[in-house]
Amino acid sequence: KQEVTQIPAALSVPEGENLVLNCSFTDSAIYNLQWFRQDPGKGLTSLLLIQSSQREQTSGRLNASLDKSSGRSTLYIAASQPGDSATYLCAAGGHTGGFKTIFGAGTRLFVKA
Amino acid sequence: DTGVSQDPRHKITKRGQNVTFRCDPISEHNRLYWYRQTLGQGPEFLTYFQNEAQLEKSRLLSDRFSAERPKGSFSTLEIQRTEQGDSAMYLCASSLVSGATYNEQFFGPGTRLTVL
Repeated sequence: KQEVTQIPAALSVPEGENLVLNCSFTDSAIYNLQWFRQDPGKGLTSLLLIQSSQREQTSGRLNASLDKSSGRSTLYIAASQPGDSATYLCAAGGHTGGFKTIFGAGTRLFVKA
Repeated sequence: DTGVSQDPRHKITKRGQNVTFRCDPISEHNRLYWYRQTLGQGPEFLTYFQNEAQLEKSRLLSDRFSAERPKGSFSTLEIQRTEQGDSAMYLCASSLVSGATYNEQFFGPGTRLTVL
């Protein structure tokens, strides 16, 4: 059974700081790993998708890496801004046990101006 | 196409009533997913469709829940005899699966259900 854990649960940083959000998963038989952003009371916005055959993806100030063998993914945010304040969720798309996507509980990020 | 849409955005109902939610996916997407999210948690998988076929259902989906995607386009999620524990945000997502490539899921804004 796939379990996804995100650490830390919450993070507060000053504007301009570089930061790393962590995601770990127990079953390495995934077909992709996706990072999302969620603002309070809103739906999810896709940030980056890493296919199982890939090691990383980049979009602007965001970089996500995937290490299937160790069951880990990281989301790196460069030069953080107050507008980055949101909850960041990772989701593992599975193979074994069906094709359901399993989400972590998220990391709540607050960037102080 | 402006993305995944969901209707209604908010629903308040009394315990015991039936409710139905609608999701319109991105038009060329063949896969549609339903999730439920409670405060402080990540979305929990409920069910998904490949075109019109419902391929997987979570154990979270009790007999009171039913989902359909009759023509492989929009989908409905019905909850019968609602309970207070059904209060949550119901999220719909869609994606394009082609061969062995599972592309990113795009989410709608969600329907927030409150059961009084």
